[in-house]
Amino acid sequence: EVQLLDSGGDLVQPGGSLRLSCAASGFTFSSYAMSWVRQAPGNGLEWVSTLGGSGGSTYYADSVKGRFSISRDISKNTLFLQMDSLRAEDTAVYYCAKGRGANEPFFDSWGQGTLVTVSS
Amino acid sequence: EIVLTQSPATLSLSPGERATLSCRASQSVSSYLAWYQQKPGQAPRLLIYDASSRAAGIPARFSGSGSGTDFTLTISNLEPEDFAVYYCQQRSRWPPITFGQGTRLEIK
Repeated sequence: EVQLLDSGGDLVQPGGSLRLSCAASGFTFSSYAMSWVRQAPGNGLEWVSTLGGSGGSTYYADSVKGRFSISRDISKNTLFLQMDSLRAEDTAVYYCAKGRGANEPFFDSWGQGTLVTVSS
Repeated sequence: EIVLTQSPATLSLSPGERATLSCRASQSVSSYLAWYQQKPGQAPRLLIYDASSRAAGIPARFSGSGSGTDFTLTISNLEPEDFAVYYCQQRSRWPPITFGQGTRLEIK
């Protein structure tokens, strides 16, 4: 059974940094694209970033480009999202999501989400 | 960026009725469209991918159709657990991956 466990969300001040983690199990982690999707309170879904199954390709939404960095540790089956220069508009629940293939970002499994609040 | 527009914003129906949700793309996405269901306090769940293929474990009352710019999610014979928010998503020309704004299906 595929399981994704998101963690790392917290209250952080504007301009601060945070690193989210997503522990994966139940599938061959290195073979699938992994992504982060966020949802601001009361709002819809917004794609944030994707790491291709090969691990060599990374993609970012314009709203986070240059501030966020996606990576993974295959030995620990864990996906990360390093978030720097955080803004109030980054406040959201962040979900990690598994793609259906190495480069197919339809998300067939999701973590439970972790809340990031950016406020002074 | 491909913009997805969902309609209606809210759909009020009774259990046992048929729901028809629409998603329109600002340019062709071929068949690279998915539908998700999200209940309050839960993560989204993949229902349909590639416009018409049901994801694993999804009941047959959920069906998807369309190609190009116009897509439909149909839920026949609504069950109480089907009342939720539904999102469409495209992966045709990405980045960026984009979602529609959602349709809320509520009990009448």
